Amino acid sequence: NAGVTQTPKFQVLKTGQSMTLQCAQDMNHEYMSWYRQDPGMGLRLIHYSVGAGITDQGEVPNGYNVSRSTTEDFPLRLLSAAPSQTSVYFCASRTGGDTEAFFGQGTRLTVV
Amino acid sequence: EDKVVQSPLSLVVHEGDTVTLNCSYEVTNFRSLLWYKQEKKAPTFLFMLTSSGIEKKSGRLSSILDKKELFSILNITATQTGDSAIYLCAAPHDMRFGAGTRLTVKP
Repeated sequence: NAGVTQTPKFQVLKTGQSMTLQCAQDMNHEYMSWYRQDPGMGLRLIHYSVGAGITDQGEVPNGYNVSRSTTEDFPLRLLSAAPSQTSVYFCASRTGGDTEAFFGQGTRLTVV
Repeated sequence: EDKVVQSPLSLVVHEGDTVTLNCSYEVTNFRSLLWYKQEKKAPTFLFMLTSSGIEKKSGRLSSILDKKELFSILNITATQTGDSAIYLCAAPHDMRFGAGTRLTVKP
């Protein structure tokens, strides 16, 4: 089983560039979430989705967009990258509201 | 707004010590609390707690939930250097995590 797959694993962007971080899961999970993790810190919720066509903001949504057109995919778009968005990004999925989350291996993003 | 607060944020102990990590929460429609361990990469699942007073145990790790006082603790006995990690708790309404406790176990 592939589980949760994130691409790319590493990315360097210039300030002002846009890009999309991809997240796909093959477990038919309804719930998906995006997090960022800064050095030595915990996970901060960016956006989440409770099903196809439904998204909501988390703690730190500014500068990021998401969409959920299918159950499997939950891409995260950086609209205009800033150095403050340098971080490790994790995508997670779970069956429902009370269940264990499964994580992708992360994307390390550097904005210069 | 929902909140998950962990303490301490950082902890340094020596091998063999016992540690207690705390997680308090204020969450709408609370149903469960999850604990994760994160070493170098993605978090790995430890426990899910749904009922007050029932201890979950795995080896030297154990955890318990108090739904009246709105907190959970994670205990690690006889710590080893391999326990060094960030320990995270989450209340999965929107899957918001606490800030984590960075545990360092020295030889």
